[in-house]
Amino acid sequence: QITLKESGPTLVKPTQTLTLTCTFSGFSLSTSGVGVGWIRQPPGKALEWLALIYWNDDKRYSPSLKSRLTITKDTSKNQVVLTMTNMDPVDTATYYCAHVTGFRVYYFDYWGQGTLVTVSS
Amino acid sequence: QSALTQPASVSGSPGQSITISCTGTSSDVGGYNYVSWYQQHPGKAPKLMIYDVSNRPSGVSNRFSGSKSGNTASLTISGLQAEDEADYYCSSYTSSSLWVFGGGTKLTVL
Repeated sequence: QITLKESGPTLVKPTQTLTLTCTFSGFSLSTSGVGVGWIRQPPGKALEWLALIYWNDDKRYSPSLKSRLTITKDTSKNQVVLTMTNMDPVDTATYYCAHVTGFRVYYFDYWGQGTLVTVSS
Repeated sequence: QSALTQPASVSGSPGQSITISCTGTSSDVGGYNYVSWYQQHPGKAPKLMIYDVSNRPSGVSNRFSGSKSGNTASLTISGLQAEDEADYYCSSYTSSSLWVFGGGTKLTVL
């Protein structure tokens, strides 16, 4: 059974760096083809894909946010970490992590429950 | 990369069928058979409903179906039920090896 859960601060100040952790179970990020991505959703707005990391440390970033994002993995801890620098109130959103199951698989089949991050002074 | 274009809202009566469109470009929807659809109820995480244009994951009702023509993908829900009322999002893999989502469609069951 695959599960994912996001954790991190609920409130950050403008200009600060956000660090979110996705802790998962039921799969290993050392398995060929597997990936974990991050997607966010501002209140009342659409989903936005942010980043994804594969088992082989291949990393992909949204072009519009690439300069602010870093995604890393800790295979031994079953965790993926997303950092976003220079936070702004427009970055207020629910942040989800999600699983990609294998080679030539380009959909997110399991999602975490999401964590709401508010950016405010 | 620009978000895929979806209608903001659609509605239908119980038992009817509805279709939600998702328009992209030849660099995403039109270029690959990697369109997926997600259902999201208020306050919940998205749920995968369709992958690779027209495939249903195990456990998803066969009332949900997907298709694609050119740069536009479509999600059809037949035999509408009250529980289908939710937001629906399409997503596509792109020529830049990235992902893009649609703007979302709110489905109202009248």
